[in-house]
Amino acid sequence: DAGVTQSPTHLIKTRGQQVTLRCSPKSGHDTVSWYQQALGQGPQFIFQYYEEEERQRGNFPDRFSGHQFPNYSSELNVNALLLGDSALYLCASSLGSGNTIYFGEGSWLTVV
Amino acid sequence: QKEVEQDPGPLSVPEGAIVSLNCTYSNSAFQYFMWYRQYSRKGPELLMYTYSSGNKEDGRFTAQVDKSSKYISLFIRDSQPSDSATYLCAMSAFTGGGNKLTFGTGTQLKVEL
Repeated sequence: DAGVTQSPTHLIKTRGQQVTLRCSPKSGHDTVSWYQQALGQGPQFIFQYYEEEERQRGNFPDRFSGHQFPNYSSELNVNALLLGDSALYLCASSLGSGNTIYFGEGSWLTVV
Repeated sequence: QKEVEQDPGPLSVPEGAIVSLNCTYSNSAFQYFMWYRQYSRKGPELLMYTYSSGNKEDGRFTAQVDKSSKYISLFIRDSQPSDSATYLCAMSAFTGGGNKLTFGTGTQLKVEL
């Protein structure tokens, strides 16, 4: 049973560029959330997708956008990258609003 | 003030010790409480999940929730070097749609031989 998978594992981008991160949820899960984890901090909620719609959104600017596909996989897009966007980006999945929530290994983004 | 407060540590204990990790919170709407373990440069791993107040035990791990005090704990018995990691508490409220988690900053635990 595959868990939550994310790609790429690591990437380096330049300020002002755009990045797309990808996530496949755990088998049987239909809800995908994205979190940003800065060094030494707990994950911060970015947004959640269910039935291809954004259902909840955290306190992140519009530069952060996402998408969910019919197969429940998801993308996180960040435009106009800032140095402060350097972080571990985590994808989490669940079944509906269930609170058994599993995380992937994350994508490490470095903005230079 | 953050919604969830957690002592960042580091906490260093000898092998075999009982470890107590704690979080306090301010949002009385939180009803679901989780503990995650995160090894260095890895994603968080779900350890325990409890609903409302009470205790839950799973092997060497016990989770306690005291909603009246807005205080949750994770106890690790017979701690092992492999338990060395960062422990994150997380909580969510029932909203009828969505299960956004609010995390503490994490407590770094080191279990020494």
